[in-house]
Amino acid sequence: AQSVTQPDIHITVSEGASLELRCNYSYGATPYLFWYVQSPGQGLQLLLKYFSGDTLVQGIKGFEAEFKRSQSSFNLRKPSVHWSDAAEYFCAVGTTSYSSASKIIFGSGTRLSIRP
Amino acid sequence: GAVVSQHPSWVICKSGTSVKIECRSLDFQATTMFWYRQFPKQSLMLMATSNEGSKATYEQGVEKDKFLINHASLTLSTLTVTSAHPEDSSFYICRAKGAGGPSYEQYFGPGTRLTVT
Repeated sequence: AQSVTQPDIHITVSEGASLELRCNYSYGATPYLFWYVQSPGQGLQLLLKYFSGDTLVQGIKGFEAEFKRSQSSFNLRKPSVHWSDAAEYFCAVGTTSYSSASKIIFGSGTRLSIRP
Repeated sequence: GAVVSQHPSWVICKSGTSVKIECRSLDFQATTMFWYRQFPKQSLMLMATSNEGSKATYEQGVEKDKFLINHASLTLSTLTVTSAHPEDSSFYICRAKGAGGPSYEQYFGPGTRLTVT
């Protein structure tokens, strides 16, 4: 079964500093990978996704992520964070097998705080 | 893009009562619906998967008699929390998948916050 690990529960970075949120996945085949952001009390917003092709994917709000098969990782990065980036970030893996009905499984999340 | 709505967005009910949450795909036919539960400050946990016209498949540890899922049409799925208790208070999010292969991104509903008093 697929699984996702986000080792950092809470990260604080200064406004303007760079950011990297870690994500490791476990899945027997090539996964579909996602990063979502969730503000308090709100639904999910998709930041970016990886299905195939170029392993460096660009997303919205200046975020990017790199798929590294050898490390089973899909870390999220942003060169310069803004106070509005403070939120909860979820990495997720989607199955590519139709028999498993395209499930999306979420990591435990990383809460990002921004220091003024 | 595809839109998924949920109703209500927020509901308060008394312990012991049942509450129904609707998930609708507004501009596409959802052959499969997924229901997630998110406790405060926690991640989203998949509860069940339902295909239109079939019984739902529940994840391990989810009580199927307590969380009744109906997916009677290609645009509507409902989750009924029966005999709700305070520990069922949570944020419930649905996800709808259309036919023709995996497609994921913008098909999550906005969520329903359930508070059981």
